Amino acid sequence: AQSVAQPEDQVNVAEGNPLTVKCTYSVSGNPYLFWYVQYPNRGLQFLLKYITGDNLVKGSYGFEAEFNKSQTSFHLKKPSALVSDSALYFCAVRDSPSGGYNKLIFGAGTRLAVHP
Amino acid sequence: KAGVTQTPRYLIKTRGQQVTLSCSPISGHRSVSWYQQTPGQGLQFLFEYFSETQRNKGNFPGRFSGRQFSNSRSEMNVSTLELGDSALYLCASSALTPWNEQFFGPGTRLTVL
Repeated sequence: AQSVAQPEDQVNVAEGNPLTVKCTYSVSGNPYLFWYVQYPNRGLQFLLKYITGDNLVKGSYGFEAEFNKSQTSFHLKKPSALVSDSALYFCAVRDSPSGGYNKLIFGAGTRLAVHP
Repeated sequence: KAGVTQTPRYLIKTRGQQVTLSCSPISGHRSVSWYQQTPGQGLQFLFEYFSETQRNKGNFPGRFSGRQFSNSRSEMNVSTLELGDSALYLCASSALTPWNEQFFGPGTRLTVL
């Protein structure tokens, strides 16, 4: 079965420093991976996705993610954190074709706190 | 393009009642998925609809049901509400290729008393 793990409940980083939010996955076949962000009392906003191609994926708001097949990881990164980046971040993998194209399996989420 | 809209945004019900939530997808998107978000269980897939047909269903009891209309708008219904049904219910729409991202609405916050 497809699964996603986000090993950190919370990540704390100072404003201006680089940030990394970790994600590992387990899939059969080729992974379709996604990152979403959720602000308080809001839905999920799409940040970026990996389907195929370059292992470094660039997304919205200066975020990028590095796909590593050998380590089955898809870590979210940003070179310089902003206080406004503080939110809940979710990694997700698309379920297998037999499970339906639009069924996403989500990690538990990582709360990012950026301190001034 | 307008985003995914969900109504109502907030709902308070009592145990045993039933509730209907509505979702309007992004124009042109024919796939609509529903998710339940709770602090304990996180984000869990409920079901997906495409062309008025349920294509996939998550591991939820039969009290949870849904439907999709010819204009792609979708509703989900929860009957005989239980306290544990209190959650944020999120609707997402997408184009119909496997590599397309889903776009989420703001959610409906359901509180069951």
